[in-house]
Amino acid sequence: QKEVEQNSGPLSVPEGAIASLNCTYSDRGSQSFFWYRQYSGKSPELIMSIYSNGDKEDGRFTAQLNKASQYVSLLIRDSQPSDSATYLCAVNMRGGYQKVTFGTGTKLQVIP
Amino acid sequence: DGGITQSPKYLFRKEGQNVTLSCEQNLNHDAMYWYRQDPGQGLRLIYYSQIVNDFQKGDIAEGYSVSREKKESFPLTVTSAQKNPTAFYLCASQGQAYNSPLHFGNGTRLTVT
Repeated sequence: QKEVEQNSGPLSVPEGAIASLNCTYSDRGSQSFFWYRQYSGKSPELIMSIYSNGDKEDGRFTAQLNKASQYVSLLIRDSQPSDSATYLCAVNMRGGYQKVTFGTGTKLQVIP
Repeated sequence: DGGITQSPKYLFRKEGQNVTLSCEQNLNHDAMYWYRQDPGQGLRLIYYSQIVNDFQKGDIAEGYSVSREKKESFPLTVTSAQKNPTAFYLCASQGQAYNSPLHFGNGTRLTVT
């Protein structure tokens, strides 16, 4: 079992729709969870951090965490063509400065 | 402006040569990381360092070496022992606050022929 798993996609959604990106992780002791967006040929940029069970909203983005199910998701409302990118889920396995492990990413395509 | 600087952006080398990738940060972060990314793949951890003069191997450390003589700098050497060195290399740092996210540099694209 991979430590952090994501569906590679591509996930295609029409412009204005909600895009739902999912991630599962293997270490039940994981403390912090991050979503990064990566455009082709560029470095990842942080979109959301989440540490507690429940939802966290920031503009059009909502991160959801369920530690019991070892599941974290990212919802993008009113998807725009500029949201087309690869979304990486990252998990800090033990908290603090311990190594951060990334999933392989989900490629999102927003169709105009 | 605070940030992470990786240089050069593109690097070309002949097979059998060692090459060193630079990573400098002025964010006053203790922890620094090196990742490798291959086309269509996620990030794989090469080495990470939590404090000066200390570092740990990641998942794919073979063929790589690092040093951490200064808090601001974490250079990565790709040695001739690395079988498939052509990749996109990303350096990141992490702040002192508990559970801080990683901040990335712009990356170095290494091509070895």
